[in-house]
Amino acid sequence: DAGVIQSPRHEVTEMGQEVTLRCKPISGHNSLFWYRQTMMRGLELLIYFNNNVPIDDSGMPEDRFSAKMPNASFSTLKIQPSEPRDSAVYFCASSHMGSFTGSWQPQHFGDGTRLSIL
Amino acid sequence: QQQVKQSPQSLIVQKGGISIINCAYENTAFDYFPWYQQFPGKGPALLIAIRPDVSEKKEGRFTISFNKSAKQFSLHIMDSQPGDSATYFCAAKGNTGKLIFGQGTTLQVKP
Repeated sequence: DAGVIQSPRHEVTEMGQEVTLRCKPISGHNSLFWYRQTMMRGLELLIYFNNNVPIDDSGMPEDRFSAKMPNASFSTLKIQPSEPRDSAVYFCASSHMGSFTGSWQPQHFGDGTRLSIL
Repeated sequence: QQQVKQSPQSLIVQKGGISIINCAYENTAFDYFPWYQQFPGKGPALLIAIRPDVSEKKEGRFTISFNKSAKQFSLHIMDSQPGDSATYFCAAKGNTGKLIFGQGTTLQVKP
């Protein structure tokens, strides 16, 4: 079975440029999560979607970050303009979320996009 | 109150030894406590998970011990192997479905 697919795997760009990260969740999963991982802050949830609708974007650091999920099989995370402090590994994860209490399906992570802003 | 505190930050164990990683939480509304394993260049992968109404769960060499009154849980890796060398994250799930992750523990198992 195909897992969560992220692209690109690596991105190096100059400060001020627009960066778009892409994610294809596992087929049949209805929830999608974007995380950022750094040595200093660990694994932080940026935003998550349920049935293509953004549910919680409280982790999005600032207005330079935006995320969309136009359909059940695709999501993007965009940074515009990018800054050196945005350098991190960005992970996308998906799961099937039924009721929020009493059951839980694990989140499956992609292999991440390593982003370097010069 | 949403934090999950994990220790130690790093751990070195001899092959065949027991690796123990500890986590503590404050929010009593958390209802699932998974552990994730991450290898370099890869995303975290679910290792084992426990609900707060269970005190222990074992899967192969991996065991979660859960102490609800102390709001603590731990991962024990028995007969640790060099292939277990990875970063381990504890996490807690709230009623919104979000996972709150600990800071991670880098485990090195020496041959």
